[in-house]
Amino acid sequence: DARVTQTPRHKVTEMGQEVTMRCQPILGHNTVFWYRQTMMQGLELLAYFRNRAPLDDSGMPKDRFSAEMPDATLATLKIQPSEPRDSAVYFCASGPGTLTYEQYFGPGTRLTVT
Amino acid sequence: AQSVTQLGSHVSVSEGALVLLRCNYSSSVPPYLFWYVQYPNQGLQLLLKYTSAATLVKGINGFEAEFKKSETSFHLTKPSAHMSDAAEYFCAASSGAGSYQLTFGKGTKLSVIP
Repeated sequence: DARVTQTPRHKVTEMGQEVTMRCQPILGHNTVFWYRQTMMQGLELLAYFRNRAPLDDSGMPKDRFSAEMPDATLATLKIQPSEPRDSAVYFCASGPGTLTYEQYFGPGTRLTVT
Repeated sequence: AQSVTQLGSHVSVSEGALVLLRCNYSSSVPPYLFWYVQYPNQGLQLLLKYTSAATLVKGINGFEAEFKKSETSFHLTKPSAHMSDAAEYFCAASSGAGSYQLTFGKGTKLSVIP
């Protein structure tokens, strides 16, 4: 069945390094979301795209995070430079953009910055 | 702004007992409502959704939820808990009107005691 895929599933990196996370939304979905989940903060929305255009990235630290959709089948989230406080699970979700508004989540990328 | 409140960050039930997880939303307009389940080290999985077609919504794994406008509630229930139901459950809402962002509650961790 159709699923959101994310790569890598796990990433361990040193402080200061660039990290790129990738997401393939469900084919035909036109909304894409990036979330971060931590024990302390819970689930936070970082960025939101519709038809590949960024609509809201107010939840994202602008100085180090960037999110793009080079095409309809790929969304990327980059952190440069990474910091230990960025350690979290990052989820991508996609939605059909219909009147039902649901989102379907990927398995997540677990990022550890040492 | 839309807000979602889940009463009880942790709920414990005995195997075979009724599961009741509470969710209240704040909105002057009936929103679109969702329940998601997250098993350890996995992404969020859509359990069920309310989109105004019927106030009692049936989902996967024997769960159901009832939309009560007068109480601004959307509580999740299951008649008989199973060990495999142990997970974290999130209630979410969209105000609709073309806003595809979801507002999530902080989650309720369900433990099932054998």
